[in-house]
Amino acid sequence: EPEVTQTPSHQVTQMGQEVILRCVPISNHLYFYWYRQILGQKVEFLVSFYNNEISEKSEIFDDQFSVERPDGSNFTLKIRSTKLEDSAMYFCAARDRETNEKLFFGSGTQLSVL
Amino acid sequence: QKEVEQNSGPLSVPEGAIASLNCTYSDRVSQSFFWYRQYSGKSPELIMSIYSNGDKEDGRFTAQLNKASQYVSLLIRDSQPSDSATYLCAVNKPGGGADGLTFGKGTHLIIQP
Repeated sequence: EPEVTQTPSHQVTQMGQEVILRCVPISNHLYFYWYRQILGQKVEFLVSFYNNEISEKSEIFDDQFSVERPDGSNFTLKIRSTKLEDSAMYFCAARDRETNEKLFFGSGTQLSVL
Repeated sequence: QKEVEQNSGPLSVPEGAIASLNCTYSDRVSQSFFWYRQYSGKSPELIMSIYSNGDKEDGRFTAQLNKASQYVSLLIRDSQPSDSATYLCAVNKPGGGADGLTFGKGTHLIIQP
């Protein structure tokens, strides 16, 4: 199975600090996504990214969030000023070109905001 | 507002029996339906996808879709302890592509040895 790699696996930060979560899809992935899952709750869609721009974003994805793919490889999620309620597992996901419906999830980054 | 509803469980099934997981969705234009398995602390893993009414079988897994009733289910035959996990139902709009999936909260399945 193709792998989507996420770093770091755990991130602890102070409230108000900026964090950047990183994802490395494999080369033939076409669409990229960020999801989050607060402990004990459902997986929630944040944003999708295609052709170097945001395609869709949810209500959760406010001005504190941004995404980019600066070098054509890494796909990043930045949270500018973290809040306690941003504590969650953040999953990167990607679709490959051949089986467009199949979504590959990364292993996730556990973000803890103190 | 797209909603996907699942019974959170836990659903306890004896080893070797059939586990039946259910999901309903609110958006009638939903076109693609997925079942993901998620072990505790891990990422979701796709196990089945289904797009048209009826049954789709893959090994021990069968997905069933009824668009008129807005209902999708997953059957796991010959349940194994390793099937113990949370099963997430997810739906997508027509065209898929860049649109994000809407997930249900998941059903926690426990297979009793």
